[in-house]
Amino acid sequence: QSALTQPASVSGSPGQSITISCTGTSSDVGGYNYVSWYQQHPGKAPKVKIYDVSKRPSGVSNRFSGSKSGNTASLTISGLQAEDEADYYCSSYTSSSNWVFGGGTKLTVV
Amino acid sequence: QVQLQESGPGLVKPSETLSLTCAVSGYSISSGFYWGWIRQPPGKGLEWIGSIYHSGNTYYNPSLKSRVTISVDTSKNQFSLKLSSVTAADTAVYYCARQPNLAVAGTDYFDDWGQGTLVTVSS
Repeated sequence: QSALTQPASVSGSPGQSITISCTGTSSDVGGYNYVSWYQQHPGKAPKVKIYDVSKRPSGVSNRFSGSKSGNTASLTISGLQAEDEADYYCSSYTSSSNWVFGGGTKLTVV
Repeated sequence: QVQLQESGPGLVKPSETLSLTCAVSGYSISSGFYWGWIRQPPGKGLEWIGSIYHSGNTYYNPSLKSRVTISVDTSKNQFSLKLSSVTAADTAVYYCARQPNLAVAGTDYFDDWGQGTLVTVSS
């Protein structure tokens, strides 16, 4: 199985909005509404921010939102804050009853 | 509040077997979730290794399947990872994590993670 495709980096200014894309195939992202997004700060374990394409776990800011169109899922962070600077990974369930991650996107808040 | 803690040798020699254990506290490993292993080579992205249910049902990453064994010990509330014939490419931080049972819960994500443990493969 191939990793999902994410941009290597994105950047934005405080208060702005950014979107990170995650492209797969009809066997993973496009075939199931089981895409999740994880935030990882340096030296820390990943934390889920979005699951099932667009659901937020309890305690996650509503500045984080998710969507999907065809084989591409997206994570949008609005009202950027310095603390949002981190690596972000998408993940999807696959038709082989496996899970696959994206290559990761480094978000810089400039 | 569920807590997961990885443990095992931090250094493994090439061609040997990497063995890690994930101890689960605050939640019974038999209570309907899947339990997974994910790794992250230094400076690189996440890679799903495999997942196990308390019944012993397992799913493995096809690229690692020939070398991976994941097992569960419900009496100790822990699950384990064995990766054989390791090379330098297996050097990574290894995480354990909890996943809802998709077939039952109708939802899917890795909701709680351990802090991770660095395993270096070197002679």
